[in-house]
Amino acid sequence: NAGVTQTPKFQVLKTGQSMTLQCAQDMNHEYMSWYRQDPGMGLRLIHYSVGAGITDQGEVPNGYNVSRSTTEDFPLRLLSAAPSQTSVYFCASSYHIGTLTYEQYFGPGTRLTVT
Amino acid sequence: ELKVEQNPLFLSMQEGKNYTIYCNYSTTSDRLYWYRQDPGKSLESLFVLLSNGAVKQEGRLMASLDTKARLSTLHITAAVHDLSATYFCAVGTMNRDDKIIFGKGTRLHILP
Repeated sequence: NAGVTQTPKFQVLKTGQSMTLQCAQDMNHEYMSWYRQDPGMGLRLIHYSVGAGITDQGEVPNGYNVSRSTTEDFPLRLLSAAPSQTSVYFCASSYHIGTLTYEQYFGPGTRLTVT
Repeated sequence: ELKVEQNPLFLSMQEGKNYTIYCNYSTTSDRLYWYRQDPGKSLESLFVLLSNGAVKQEGRLMASLDTKARLSTLHITAAVHDLSATYFCAVGTMNRDDKIIFGKGTRLHILP
C-alpha cells in the first residue's frame, strides 16, 4: 500500500494563479480531510469528506474548493492564490464507521509559497 | 464551536524526568487523538481514545481521557532524547458533522 500520497511536494505560485493539490489514498478510507499548517497555529481544518459525493467545510475554507468524486481522491483547489495561503498542506484519511472517525493517516505534505 | 487548547506549548526537559502535556477541549466529544510530528515531517498517530477513562500506553508515553472534565493528558516517563518532537492532540466534534480539530501542539525538547 502507498498509503496517502500528495502531489506536488513543493509549489511556488504567483498571486492570482489557481492550482490543484492532489491527494489520493489506497486504503479504501471513507473519511478524508485537508489541513494547513502554519508556524504557531497547529493544524487547521480546511475541508473534509465522509464519503464519495459528500464534502463539508472546516475551520478555514475560504479560498479553497474540494470535490470527492471517488473514494480514493480528494483534490484541493486554490481558486486565486494569495500570499496568506503560503503554508504546508496536509491531506489525511481514515476509516469512518457510523459517526466515528478513527485515527487519520497523513500524507507527506505540500509546501506552497505564494509570491 | 469546538476549541482545543494544549499546554504547555513549549517544554524543555532533562532526560530521565517525567512530565505531562495537557489537552483541554470546549465541547462534548467522545474521541480524542494524539499525534507526533518530527521537524519537517508529516504526522504519525500515537493514540486514539474513544471512551471516558480510556488509558493507552506505548513505551514511555501514556495517554488518558476524562470526557467529563474535557481533558486528556499525555504523560512522558523517564524522557529520552528520541522523544523530542511536537505533539498534537485532536478532538472530534459530535452531532451531525464530524470535524477533527487540532490543538496548536506542544514542542518538546529533551536535553541529553
